[in-house]
Amino acid sequence: EAQVTQNPRYLITVTGKKLTVTCSQNMNHEYMSWYRQDPGLGLRQIYYSMNVEVTDKGDVPEGYKVSRKEKRNFPLILESPSPNQTSLYFCASSLALGGLSEQFFGPGTRLTVL
Amino acid sequence: GQNIDQPTEMTATEGAIVQINCTYQTSGFNGLFWYQQHAGEAPTFLSYNVLDGLEEKGRFSSFLSRSKGYSYLLLKELQMKDSASYLCAVKPHNYGQNFVFGPGTRLSVLP
Repeated sequence: EAQVTQNPRYLITVTGKKLTVTCSQNMNHEYMSWYRQDPGLGLRQIYYSMNVEVTDKGDVPEGYKVSRKEKRNFPLILESPSPNQTSLYFCASSLALGGLSEQFFGPGTRLTVL
Repeated sequence: GQNIDQPTEMTATEGAIVQINCTYQTSGFNGLFWYQQHAGEAPTFLSYNVLDGLEEKGRFSSFLSRSKGYSYLLLKELQMKDSASYLCAVKPHNYGQNFVFGPGTRLSVLP
């Protein structure tokens, strides 16, 4: 089944404890993105990647890191999480197609930082 | 800056037609997308517009006017399962993969 998977789905952690949220897609998509979703603010893009070893900042990259060592995986790293990073996180992937193809979203990771 | 506006909430009756508006002011324009998101779930793609005019896909249609910075999503023959949030998103640049999303419109369909 074609899908985007994220792990973990739920995470409660404490300030400063490094964490990684994994994202994997099995559709051979070139493009991948990370978003956070907060009430009243909608989805905001954190980082995106257009191919292996090619990443770029979205609108809210501060406090996050990403890497794209393999085409299928795009982990999101929080080196020192803070309470303002409590949010619902979505990973998404899409075919290149000039950047105008639909994005397929993972199921989401609900993160709470205490 | 980038700004996308949508109504926060709308209510409509089963079987009716509803129009969800989206206005945008972005640094550039390379396409507008509509996604549906049921509560607690991931967004799913509905449609996109690059050129002015109407794109029809079954019960769903999307309209774009680039000169007015305006789009709408039209849902016909509403069903209870259409109760969801509808997200408008703009791709401002023809390079990169940057997307700007609106806050979403929560639609409630009543029997």
